[in-house]
Amino acid sequence: AQRVTQPEKLLSVFKGAPVELKCNYSYSGSPELFWYVQYSRQRLQLLLRHISRESIKGFTADLNKGETSFHLKKPFAQEEDSAMYYCAAGGSTLGRLYFGRGTQLTVWP
Amino acid sequence: GAVVSQHPSRVICKSGTSVKIECRSLDFQATTMFWYRQFPKQSLMLMATSNEGSKATYEQGVEKDKFLINHASLTLSTLTVTSAHPEDSSFYICSATSGGDTEAFFGQGTRLTVV
Repeated sequence: AQRVTQPEKLLSVFKGAPVELKCNYSYSGSPELFWYVQYSRQRLQLLLRHISRESIKGFTADLNKGETSFHLKKPFAQEEDSAMYYCAAGGSTLGRLYFGRGTQLTVWP
Repeated sequence: GAVVSQHPSRVICKSGTSVKIECRSLDFQATTMFWYRQFPKQSLMLMATSNEGSKATYEQGVEKDKFLINHASLTLSTLTVTSAHPEDSSFYICSATSGGDTEAFFGQGTRLTVV
């Protein structure tokens, strides 16, 4: 079965501190990995996907196939980064996604 | 980004009745739409994949007679919860993609409460 695990339900850091949100996956085949973000009272939006290898809002994520991980990192967290972050895995049908339970990130001033 | 709109945002219905939730792509043609369900403080669970003009594909464990999905046009998919019961109360979210390598865009969700 496809599974995405985000071990931390809540994560708090101070502004300017590094942040890492963990994601591990179990997926048959070669999945595509994504990070989605949901700001307060807003809808889910794509933050980044592993194939694009982009850095969005200072966030990066590297796919580690050996460890089946796709951790999200940012060297210097900002208050506006406070949000719920979901890791997701998908296959050949783009948009057909399996989500982790989400990590609520709070960045304190 | 593209806009996906769900209607209604909130609905309360009586046990035993059916309720329809709409998902519309406002500025693009959605060849594929997806329906998710989210329980409180839990993740989004994929329910079904809906392609325009064809029958929806349901995930394992999702009752297709309970959750009727129709994708009659390139801009509209509907989810009908039939004979709703309190355990069907949940947050239902749709997403839509125009196909190819484009990302899927999410609706704002519909909070269903069955009393």
